[in-house]
Amino acid sequence: GAGVSQSPSNKVTEKGKDVELRCDPISGHTALYWYRQSLGQGLEFLIYFQGNSAPDKSGLPSDRFSAERTGGSVSTLTIQRTQQEDSAVYLCASSHRGFTDTQYFGPGTRLTVL
Amino acid sequence: GQQLNQSPQSMFIQEGEDVSMNCTSSSIFNTWLWYKQDPGEGPVLLIALYKAGELTSNGRLTAQFGITRKDSFLNISASIPSDVGIYFCAGRQGGSEKLVFGKGTKLTVNP
Repeated sequence: GAGVSQSPSNKVTEKGKDVELRCDPISGHTALYWYRQSLGQGLEFLIYFQGNSAPDKSGLPSDRFSAERTGGSVSTLTIQRTQQEDSAVYLCASSHRGFTDTQYFGPGTRLTVL
Repeated sequence: GQQLNQSPQSMFIQEGEDVSMNCTSSSIFNTWLWYKQDPGEGPVLLIALYKAGELTSNGRLTAQFGITRKDSFLNISASIPSDVGIYFCAGRQGGSEKLVFGKGTKLTVNP
């Protein structure tokens, strides 16, 4: 079946612009996660959704970052007034219910802020 | 934020050799996971460990959950060229949904 998909695969933007990154989880998965992977680093947790609610958004680095999920499916991560340090690969994952269930990752969106 | 200490950072080995990498933490984790990431792809789960002392195999891969719950290792036996990639450990603490990741071990296998 279809895996987690993310769009766009690459995004180049100018400093100060807003960007929206999209994640389509595996159908039926209620839990959705966003991570950020900077060059040569591990994955850094950003936010977790259960359904449309975000019980844990502790990893969002600043108030320029926000995310929403609608219909218990698609999620959008928005970065306002992008900065060069926001350049990274943004990965989305989904799992059946959460907690001990396996997280399946999408291919990521590579964001470059010039 | 919190990270796991993963080593080595990179490895260059000959095809057929065995490989070992490990992750340590100053905190206790209730779940240890090992992922592999190929270029341009998201990480793929290799092995999941849920109990201290647990030793689990997946083909040529073997991973162990340390008795202290503060470490884990991954062994790859008889490496082949398609083992090339970046291997990440990840841990989950009690009551938390989020995974904490190591910085990865980049594996290169020379044919």
